[in-house]
Amino acid sequence: AQSVTQLDSHVSVSEGTPVLLRCNYSSSYSPSLFWYVQHPNKGLQLLLKYTSAATLVKGINGFEAEFKKSETSFHLTKPSAHMSDAAEYFCVVASGTYKYIFGTGTRLKVLA
Amino acid sequence: EPEVTQTPSHQVTQMGQEVILRCVPISNHLYFYWYRQILGQKVEFLVSFYNNEISEKSEIFDDQFSVERPDGSNFTLKIRSTKLEDSAMYFCASSDKPLAANTEAFFGQGTRLTVV
Repeated sequence: AQSVTQLDSHVSVSEGTPVLLRCNYSSSYSPSLFWYVQHPNKGLQLLLKYTSAATLVKGINGFEAEFKKSETSFHLTKPSAHMSDAAEYFCVVASGTYKYIFGTGTRLKVLA
Repeated sequence: EPEVTQTPSHQVTQMGQEVILRCVPISNHLYFYWYRQILGQKVEFLVSFYNNEISEKSEIFDDQFSVERPDGSNFTLKIRSTKLEDSAMYFCASSDKPLAANTEAFFGQGTRLTVV
């Protein structure tokens, strides 16, 4: 069965410093992996997805993620945090044909 | 940009009452989903729907729950007799293809259901 584990429930960074949100996956075959973001009072928005065409995936708002099969990881990074990045981030894996499995989420706080 | 729309944004209901949560998926999408997030917990899959029938459901989706696509644009989730533990944020989503093979699901902004 597919699953994802987000290793940090909360991450705080200063504005302008790098962001690292960690996600490990478990899958019996090549996974379909995604990162979604949820801003307060907003829906879930896709940041990026792993397509197997490239291990380094670029998303919106300067975020990227690297798929590492040897480490079963799909960590989300951004070189320089902005105040508007404060939100909850979900690592997601597609499980079978019809559903996503969500990680527990990481709340990112950006300090001025 | 097309989006998934959910109404209402917040619903308060008395325990034992029926509620219907409404969603308008993206117009050319064929696959529809409901998820929920109890406060402080992870987002959980409830049900997926394709071709006017349930394609998959979780153990949460018991006989108290039902889904319907009453017309060409709406997709609804009905809870027949609400319980306190049904209080959660409910998200509707849609996709143009099955979720396997890296298909993106588009989510609505959610309906916060509070059962009192």
